[in-house]
Amino acid sequence: DTEVTQTPKHLVMGMTNKKSLKCEQHMGHRAMYWYKQKAKKPPELMFVYSYEKLSINESVPSRFSPECPNSSLLNLHLHALQPEDSALYLCASSQDPPGNTEAFFGQGTRLTVV
Amino acid sequence: GESVGLHLPTLSVQEGDNSIINCAYSNSASDYFIWYKQESGKGPQFIIDIRSNMDKRQGQRVTVLLNKTVKHLSLQIAATQPGDSAVYFCADSDTGRRALTFGSGTRLQVQP
Repeated sequence: DTEVTQTPKHLVMGMTNKKSLKCEQHMGHRAMYWYKQKAKKPPELMFVYSYEKLSINESVPSRFSPECPNSSLLNLHLHALQPEDSALYLCASSQDPPGNTEAFFGQGTRLTVV
Repeated sequence: GESVGLHLPTLSVQEGDNSIINCAYSNSASDYFIWYKQESGKGPQFIIDIRSNMDKRQGQRVTVLLNKTVKHLSLQIAATQPGDSAVYFCADSDTGRRALTFGSGTRLQVQP
């Protein structure tokens, strides 16, 4: 199984809503990532987890809250988002250490904030 | 901070021709480089990677060249097919910041 599964595929939320994005992998990878991608732009790193511990936070606003409950799961909790946060949110995983081998990406969650 | 970037935003080639996509990087500490292909509505898909102790690596129909002297990376696709049409991103990482940083991307259009 070389898949990274993200749910939901699409999400529309209001600025006062609380929602969560979920990511799952069963490749035994101990590094997991959240990236944000705006239209016609490259993915931008948000967070990196290594062995379930947050190792990189790219100065992401606190309205985005990551969580790694176990080695297979990665969540991104969303609260009080702004319309400019609308984007494709990509989850990825790789062998540890992070950034040293191929990262496998999920299909992303297309988020629209209204 | 330093980042990886691309010269050409769009590359149009004829089916069967060879394609070359270029990427310039500025971080002299980068030691791992990777190319991804992203089709519309999908996540990035791994194509090929290379480490800084190599200058060339070949895969199936693809070759990556690394020139550390001028900080340049290229992806060569042989006998380009319509299914190769996508956006191609280079990315790198270094020993200090262990995470992939993506370049700006090149759209490859293959004309039948």
